[in-house]
Amino acid sequence: NAGVMQNPRHLVRRRGQEARLRCSPMKGHSHVYWYRQLPEEGLKFMVYLQKENIIDESGMPKERFSAEFPKEGPSILRIQQVVRGDSAAYFCASSRTGGLNTGELFFGEGSRLTVL
Amino acid sequence: QQQVKQSPQSLIVQKGGISIINCAYENTAFDYFPWYQQFPGKGPALLIAIRPDVSEKKEGRFTISFNKSAKQFSLHIMDSQPGDSATYFCAASSGTNAGKSTFGDGTTLTVKP
Repeated sequence: NAGVMQNPRHLVRRRGQEARLRCSPMKGHSHVYWYRQLPEEGLKFMVYLQKENIIDESGMPKERFSAEFPKEGPSILRIQQVVRGDSAAYFCASSRTGGLNTGELFFGEGSRLTVL
Repeated sequence: QQQVKQSPQSLIVQKGGISIINCAYENTAFDYFPWYQQFPGKGPALLIAIRPDVSEKKEGRFTISFNKSAKQFSLHIMDSQPGDSATYFCAASSGTNAGKSTFGDGTTLTVKP
């Protein structure tokens, strides 16, 4: 399967715990985007990363959220001290060329976080 | 404003009918307008996209119509089929950061057999 791989698909956490969501982009893609989808809403941009660099984090909440895309391994979205409002589907997308491109994004199937 | 407004929120169409979903944007810097299809429990998948240098683009049963002066674009699904039942999202982005898309809130399409 050469698509965008996300895991876990479902994650349940209690308030105050940490959530770690992982994303492996499509083969040959070095640009990764994280989006959040609340129930009955569209996707909201969170962060754009390339290998070892955060390019645009204008959609990330200022506290508790962080993202990385190391030289080796998947991109990780980390949510510390989760609250019920963090319950959502988190989608990762990748693209081949990033900014100077068609804008075509390839999405994973998402990680659905439930905070109890 | 970076909003993209999408309507209707939900749509029911008979098999064989035409489904029409509309979107309006405000930011004139947007220059790439994709439509995504999402099935329950899955991620969005690119359906068709248009740039503002053309007023219409057709791929099979799917057509985007684009009105630059009105800052509106729409998706037409001809001969709608039950398998088209899904949520459709319009989106917009600008060339300098084309992967950072602003999405509409989605339209849930139900095609009745």
